Amino acid sequence: QSALTQPPSVSEAPGQRVTISCTGNTSNIGAGYDVHWYQQLPGTAPKLLIYGNNNRPSAVPDRFSGSKSGTSGSLAITGLQAEDEADYYCQSYDSSLSDWVFGGGTKLTVL
Amino acid sequence: EVQLVESGGGLVQPGGSLKLSCAASGFTFSGSAVHWVRQPSGKGLEWVGRIRSKANTYATAYAASVKGRFTISRDDSKNTVFLQMNSLKTEDTAVYYCTRSTGDGSQSPFDYWGQGTLVTVSS
Repeated sequence: QSALTQPPSVSEAPGQRVTISCTGNTSNIGAGYDVHWYQQLPGTAPKLLIYGNNNRPSAVPDRFSGSKSGTSGSLAITGLQAEDEADYYCQSYDSSLSDWVFGGGTKLTVL
Repeated sequence: EVQLVESGGGLVQPGGSLKLSCAASGFTFSGSAVHWVRQPSGKGLEWVGRIRSKANTYATAYAASVKGRFTISRDDSKNTVFLQMNSLKTEDTAVYYCTRSTGDGSQSPFDYWGQGTLVTVSS
């Protein structure tokens, strides 16, 4: 069982907007630790998508955005494209476990 | 260009040992912390462990599931990090990734990843 909870799957039509939640607790996200997001395309290594809650690496399109509130983080993708079909993982640090922790991952299907 | 290339994966029997390598290039390796993350087939990502830079005394940290069995080390002269895995269990079967963190602290994200190497523990 992951320290961070994500929905197993989400789906939406091309051009639409989707959000993926990442729920933690007072030992990780709620303790002030940043939330980072990774995109994993089929058969490839994860790629950093959002860091520090709401920052994008320069190569990531501005269709991707992140936010954090309380014990949760959220990833939003607007203008969905077929190439966005992937698994998405949130990640933070947990002070009670003294571990870096991941969410269980969310599979995004573009209908 | 930043590159991380893992090697050393393969098939090993339960109770056996295996040593993975992660060769880095394209950045100041000696100043970077490096983590290992694993992913069983069809499942999610699990953090395995980390080694910090020389400036931070090469400090290591491990997930509870591998503590006492896995050891991370590094050779800065060869820009390489190692993951020594002993007393392997079937549940250690996974693709193992090495990844660089942008800084040495707990808040730093993992900005570059290797392609992964498959470890299969089976009799």
